[in-house]
Amino acid sequence: KNEVEQSPQNLTAQEGEFITINCSYSVGISALHWLQQHPGGGIVSLFMLSSGKKKHGRLIATINIQEKHSSLHITASHPRDSAVYICAARTNTDKLIFGTGTRLQVFP
Amino acid sequence: DAGITQSPRYKITETGRQVTLMCHQTWSHSYMFWYRQDLGHGLRLIYYSAAADITDKGEVPDGYVVSRSKTENFPLTLESATRSQTSVYFCASRGVRTEAFFGQGTRLTVV
Repeated sequence: KNEVEQSPQNLTAQEGEFITINCSYSVGISALHWLQQHPGGGIVSLFMLSSGKKKHGRLIATINIQEKHSSLHITASHPRDSAVYICAARTNTDKLIFGTGTRLQVFP
Repeated sequence: DAGITQSPRYKITETGRQVTLMCHQTWSHSYMFWYRQDLGHGLRLIYYSAAADITDKGEVPDGYVVSRSKTENFPLTLESATRSQTSVYFCASRGVRTEAFFGQGTRLTVV
């Protein structure tokens, strides 16, 4: 069993839909990262959070430390949101353990 | 320009050759990392460095060598490339309590 698991692996949506991507982890963490990777592109950090909730534009990330679970929400999704979203747990020994990613496609 | 840059972006090499992938960051971040990304595996840590002259193995270090003589540079060398090292390689850096910043990646093909 992977230490960081994401669901779903693939997600398709119509433009405008509300999207949720989930991440569960089994290790002790100091922070949880959400990253975005466009096809053929580099990796961009979206959020780093250790408690509660963060919002940036249409993106919202939440974390529940007790349940070892984090979610990434996208409101009013747009085709340009199509990308792979990766969660990564920063362990208490300062390493990043990555999930295998969620491939999102948003159709007009 | 501020940021983290990798070079080359694309490389094709032959089995058995030595290859060095370069990584340079301008923030003076303490931590630097090398990952490889393969289908079905996500990102896996090859080596990391907590400061200049300090390096440590990650999850998949075999066949790779790193050095960190200067804070801003963290080259990754494949001593004798093998086909199994065909992958996309990402370098990353971060400060003590900052988020991680990733380079654009190097797509390496070993033929």
